[in-house]
Amino acid sequence: NAGVTQTPKFRVLKTGQSMTLLCAQDMNHEYMYWYRQDPGMGLRLIHYSVGEGTTAKGEVPDGYNVSRLKKQNFLLGLESAAPSQTSVYFCASRPPGLETYEQYFGPGTRLTVT
Amino acid sequence: LAKTTQPISMDSYEGQEVNITCSHNNIATNDYITWYQQFPSQGPRFIIQGYKTKVTNEVASLFIPADRKSSTLSLPRVSLSDTAVYYCLVGDLASGGYNKLIFGAGTRLAVHP
Repeated sequence: NAGVTQTPKFRVLKTGQSMTLLCAQDMNHEYMYWYRQDPGMGLRLIHYSVGEGTTAKGEVPDGYNVSRLKKQNFLLGLESAAPSQTSVYFCASRPPGLETYEQYFGPGTRLTVT
Repeated sequence: LAKTTQPISMDSYEGQEVNITCSHNNIATNDYITWYQQFPSQGPRFIIQGYKTKVTNEVASLFIPADRKSSTLSLPRVSLSDTAVYYCLVGDLASGGYNKLIFGAGTRLAVHP
């Protein structure tokens, strides 16, 4: 049981390039989330999904797109990377239900845009 | 989601008890209080969650007074490995069931030998 995994762990992009970050979870969780964390700050929600085929915007969605074609995968895309998107990206998942706030986080992807 | 305020940083020594207080004056009736821990270069990890009074697990205790306008995370006998950032979050579990967490800057705890 690997939990939440993220690919890649590190990436350097040039301004204007595109890339896709992959999040995978093997816990059969319904809800999945993408956050970004800038130095010395808390996490900010980019997009989230409440089930296969559904996505919704979070706090800071501009410049990002997401897709949830399979329940276990949540993809985050940057169509035209900008230096302001240099950050650490975390994916998280959680099961449905109202009993707990516990989200399970992946190890993060460190992205640098030059 | 209610706004939270917590100290930016705290220092402690190994073996001491650490209490981190979070203020959430605008907490709503249906809101729960949750704490996460984040080590450098890792994703946050759930520590504890509560609604009122006291909650205890194998890692920490959470004290919530009757008015629920604040809460205190208590870490017993900290060790160097407890050095991390601790986040206090407040929110309604039933808000669409989507559990959108709002993280503030957190409290950076440094444990010294």
